[in-house]
Amino acid sequence: AQSVTQLDSHVSVSEGTPVLLRCNYSSSYSPSLFWYVQHPNKGLQLLLKYTSAATLVKGINGFEAEFKKSETSFHLTKPSAHMSDAAEYFCVVRPSWGGATNKLIFGTGTLLAVQP
Amino acid sequence: NAGVTQTPKFRILKIGQSMTLQCTQDMNHNYMYWYRQDPGMGLKLIYYSVGAGITDKGEVPNGYNVSRSTTEDFPLRLELAAPSQTSVYFCASSRSGGGVTEAFFGQGTRLTVV
Repeated sequence: AQSVTQLDSHVSVSEGTPVLLRCNYSSSYSPSLFWYVQHPNKGLQLLLKYTSAATLVKGINGFEAEFKKSETSFHLTKPSAHMSDAAEYFCVVRPSWGGATNKLIFGTGTLLAVQP
Repeated sequence: NAGVTQTPKFRILKIGQSMTLQCTQDMNHNYMYWYRQDPGMGLKLIYYSVGAGITDKGEVPNGYNVSRSTTEDFPLRLELAAPSQTSVYFCASSRSGGGVTEAFFGQGTRLTVV
């Protein structure tokens, strides 16, 4: 079965320092991968998606993610955190084969806190 | 450009009551989904639909029903509300076909069963 694991439930950084949110997936084939962000009491917004065109994916608000097939990872990074980045982040996989391609599988989320 | 619209935004139900959560999308997407979000658990798929007239169970379908009579609408029905159904519910849609297709989410419905 395909799955996604977010390795940290909470991450706290200081404003202006780098952000790293870790995600590992399990899949027999290269899946489609996404990062979504959810601000408090809001819906989910797409940050970026892996399209297989490039392993380094750029998203909105300065976020990036690198697809590493050998490590089955898709970690989310940002060089410099801003207070407005405080939110919950979800790594999501869409299987690329079989009858499950119409489903999205969510990680359990990482809550990012940004300290002034 | 409305996207995915959910109503209501908030609701309090008594145990045993029933209600329907409404979801509509204006992007002509074939795929629609209902998720529930509980703290620390991520989003769990309740039901999904790949087109009008076609629905299927997700991970946590018990206590819920859905229908899909049109491409635009995908209501979620709770027949006998239970405290375990207290959650935030999200409706989403995506296009079908090949390629990397992300889902678009509504703003959520916060449901409390007391």
